[in-house]
Amino acid sequence: NAGVTQTPKFQVLKTGQSMTLQCAQDMNHEYMSWYRQDPGMGLRLIHYSVGAGITDQGEVPNGYNVSRSTTEDFPLRLLSAAPSQTSVYFCASRGTGGLNSPLHFGNGTRLTVT
Amino acid sequence: AQSVTQLDSHVSVSEGTPVLLRCNYSSSYSPSLFWYVQHPNKGLQLLLKYTSAATLVKGINGFEAEFKKSETSFHLTKPSAHMSDAAEYFCVVTSQGSGYALNFGKGTSLLVTP
Repeated sequence: NAGVTQTPKFQVLKTGQSMTLQCAQDMNHEYMSWYRQDPGMGLRLIHYSVGAGITDQGEVPNGYNVSRSTTEDFPLRLLSAAPSQTSVYFCASRGTGGLNSPLHFGNGTRLTVT
Repeated sequence: AQSVTQLDSHVSVSEGTPVLLRCNYSSSYSPSLFWYVQHPNKGLQLLLKYTSAATLVKGINGFEAEFKKSETSFHLTKPSAHMSDAAEYFCVVTSQGSGYALNFGKGTSLLVTP
């Protein structure tokens, strides 16, 4: 059981480049989400999805796009990378049980934008 | 509205001594509260959760937390620290009325010295 898998683990981009961070889960979880983690800031929600075909914005959505075509996958797209997007990105999913169910996290993608 | 405040950004203890990591919350509804741990270069792992059942919650690795409504606190404790407890710890709040939103504290870095 792989859980939540994120790729790549590390990425360096130049300002203005685009890329997609991949996230896949094999637990049949309906809820998936993306967070960014910055020093002293904790984790901040970027986008989330409560099921295939449904996405919504979190606390810091600007500069990021998402889509949810399948239950398993929830990619995060940076259309034009900026240095302010240098961060560690975590994907997380949650099963049935709603608010009382814990999040399952991937191991993160460390992104540097120069 | 809801939020969580972790009162210490860094805590240092000696191996074998008690651990106390402090968390205060605010919520307009009855909250669910979580503690997560993050080891270096890893995703977050659930330590324990409070979901309106027993106010003293036991988690993994000997950790426990007590929900105190009158003090709006959910402090994390462990009787005897182990070197492997050195990590970043996050307090998280969610509640009915916040939808699927979880609010993370900014984290407490626990250092355990020999």
